Amino acid sequence: DTAVSQTPKYLVTQMGNDKSIKCEQNLGHDTMYWYKQDSKKFLKIMFSYNNKELIINETVPNRFSPKSPDKAHLNLHINSLELGDSAVYFCASSLTDDEQFFGPGTRLTVL
Amino acid sequence: GENVEQHPSTLSVQEGDSAVIKCTYSDSASNYFPWYKQELGKRPQLIIDIRSNVGEKKDQRIAVTLNKTAKHFSLHITETQPEDSAVYFCAASKTSYGKLTFGQGTILTVHP
Repeated sequence: DTAVSQTPKYLVTQMGNDKSIKCEQNLGHDTMYWYKQDSKKFLKIMFSYNNKELIINETVPNRFSPKSPDKAHLNLHINSLELGDSAVYFCASSLTDDEQFFGPGTRLTVL
Repeated sequence: GENVEQHPSTLSVQEGDSAVIKCTYSDSASNYFPWYKQELGKRPQLIIDIRSNVGEKKDQRIAVTLNKTAKHFSLHITETQPEDSAVYFCAASKTSYGKLTFGQGTILTVHP
C-alpha cells in the first residue's frame, strides 16, 4: 500500500516520560510535516522538513524534537511529557506545494 | 502570520439539502486553499482544493469558490447524504513548502 504510516497508533504514558512517534511515507514525497490536533479538534502545524532539512518550526516547546533520517521518514521525540501534550499527532507528507496526505494519527495520552 | 477563520462551527441539515461552510483568511499572499474532511477517529482527507488563479472549482456534489479581493472562500455541498457527516476543515497556505494554516473546523451533521 502506498501511504503515510505512523507508529504507534496509541500511546499512554506517565508525566515526565520521554516518548517517540515514528512516521514513514512511501509516496516519494519530499516534504513531511507534524501536526497536533487538540481536544477541540484544532489542527496546528508543528514542524516541516523538506529533503531532510527543517523548514518550519512553529512555536513548539523545545521538549519536542523532530528528526528526519531520510526523505521517507520523520520521527518526533518528546521529552519530559506534560498533561497538556495529550493530543492526536498527525504526520503528513507532500510534494512541495501540493496536496498533503495525512497519516492515521497517534493518540497520545499523558497521565 | 496567516489567520483562518471558519464558520459555522456546527451545521445540521436534512438529507438532500445543501450545506455551505465559509472561511476567511488574513494573508493576501496565500494562494492555495484546500478543504479536508475528517470522519470520527480518522485522518483528515483532502476533498477539494483551489488555487488563487481560479474563482470556482467543482467536483460532483462539491464546489469551492474563492474571492481573493474579500479574502474568503467557501465550500458548497449539494444533495447532502448521511455519509457527508464529518468535521470539515478549510486551510490556507502560501506557495513555498505548503505550510497549512487550518480553520477551526465545522461539524456537519446530515440527518436522514
